[in-house]
Amino acid sequence: ETGVTQTPRHLVMGMTNKKSLKCEQHLGHNAMYWYKQSAKKPLELMFVYSLEERVENNSVPSRFSPECPNSSHLFLHLHTLQPEDSALYLCASSQDLGSRGWYEQYFGPGTRLTVT
Amino acid sequence: AQSVTQLDSHVSVSEGTPVLLRCNYSSSYSPSLFWYVQHPNKGLQLLLKYTSAATLVKGINGFEAEFKKSETSFHLTKPSAHMSDAAEYFCVVNSGNKLVFGAGTILRVKS
Repeated sequence: ETGVTQTPRHLVMGMTNKKSLKCEQHLGHNAMYWYKQSAKKPLELMFVYSLEERVENNSVPSRFSPECPNSSHLFLHLHTLQPEDSALYLCASSQDLGSRGWYEQYFGPGTRLTVT
Repeated sequence: AQSVTQLDSHVSVSEGTPVLLRCNYSSSYSPSLFWYVQHPNKGLQLLLKYTSAATLVKGINGFEAEFKKSETSFHLTKPSAHMSDAAEYFCVVNSGNKLVFGAGTILRVKS
């Protein structure tokens, strides 16, 4: 495996289900990110982790719970979601954070989530 | 705060003709700027980046972008469009340790 991988690629869940999205990066990076991409809306940054510490939480509802057990893995735990949470969830990684954002981010293919 | 504005939500070109995707940015300091491309049902792929070195940046697949500070622009160009260039393109500026994405421009390439 190379780059950034995400599983599952597609997920359909009911509003009362609990599921998790998984992201793994094989690039030796120190920072990882979760984004939400909804139709006709700009990409929304959800969470940022640097060296397994959460450094950014962009006012995301508590029904989304991230976990970063090590610098290669990132999870997004989902529970009691709403239909408006249906979207493409993208994971990304970068070498480091960088105070001026010099480091480009590498994206996974995303998980297409549908909440019914 | 840093921001980007992509001036066209959709651009349509014929195969073999030039591509121009426009982006203006707002930044309180010398920014890093990026262009990403997203093909249908795929993640985002970095096309090119500007980090205060040469103002004309060359990227993958024949794309390039020119940083113009006086115009606060970072337009993406390609001399000759290919059918495989059909995708959505995002102009991105750094804001501290975060990236701020434009709304995207969908490029359609007609045969």
